[in-house]
Amino acid sequence: RKEVEQDPGPFNVPEGATVAFNCTYSNSASQSFFWYRQDCRKEPKLLMSVYSSGNEDGRFTAQLNRASQYISLLIRDSKLSDSATYLCVVYNAGNMLTFGGGTRLMVKP
Amino acid sequence: DVKVTQSSRYLVKRTGEKVFLECVQDMDHENMFWYRQDPGLGLRLIYFSYDVKMKEKGDIPEGYSVSREKKERFSLILESASTNQTSMYLCASRIRNTEAFFGQGTRLTVV
Repeated sequence: RKEVEQDPGPFNVPEGATVAFNCTYSNSASQSFFWYRQDCRKEPKLLMSVYSSGNEDGRFTAQLNRASQYISLLIRDSKLSDSATYLCVVYNAGNMLTFGGGTRLMVKP
Repeated sequence: DVKVTQSSRYLVKRTGEKVFLECVQDMDHENMFWYRQDPGLGLRLIYFSYDVKMKEKGDIPEGYSVSREKKERFSLILESASTNQTSMYLCASRIRNTEAFFGQGTRLTVV
């Protein structure tokens, strides 16, 4: 079993839709969690950190469920510009950052 | 703004060549990483370094080595390039417990 797993998608949604991604992790000692966005042929860039209490940034909401060992990302009112690959990233002890395989989102007009 | 700079965006090398990929960060970060990214396989950690002259193997270190002589610079070395090392290489740096910042990536083709 992979340490960090994501549904690769693609998720094809119309503009204005709400879409949610989940990411599961296997190491219960994982300490920090992030969502990154990666556009085609570009480097990953931080979208948001994921806090235990959940956090929101505009149309984006991230949540952490430690009991079930997953994090989620909710995007409301999808825009064409949200089309990208979303990477789940988990930080474990020993300075290791482990990436999920990414979930591809395509927002259609 | 944090800046992580990789020396080349695109590189073409011949099989058997020794290849150096350079990465420099300007934020005094302790931790630096080298990943490769391949379709369907995601980002895989090759090596990371948590301090000058310190290095740890990641998930796929075979065929690679690294060097960190100065805090701001982390080099990835392909001792004898092979076609299966054709990939996108990404360097990242971070301070402990914070997010990682990535360089723009080097697309390496080995022919």
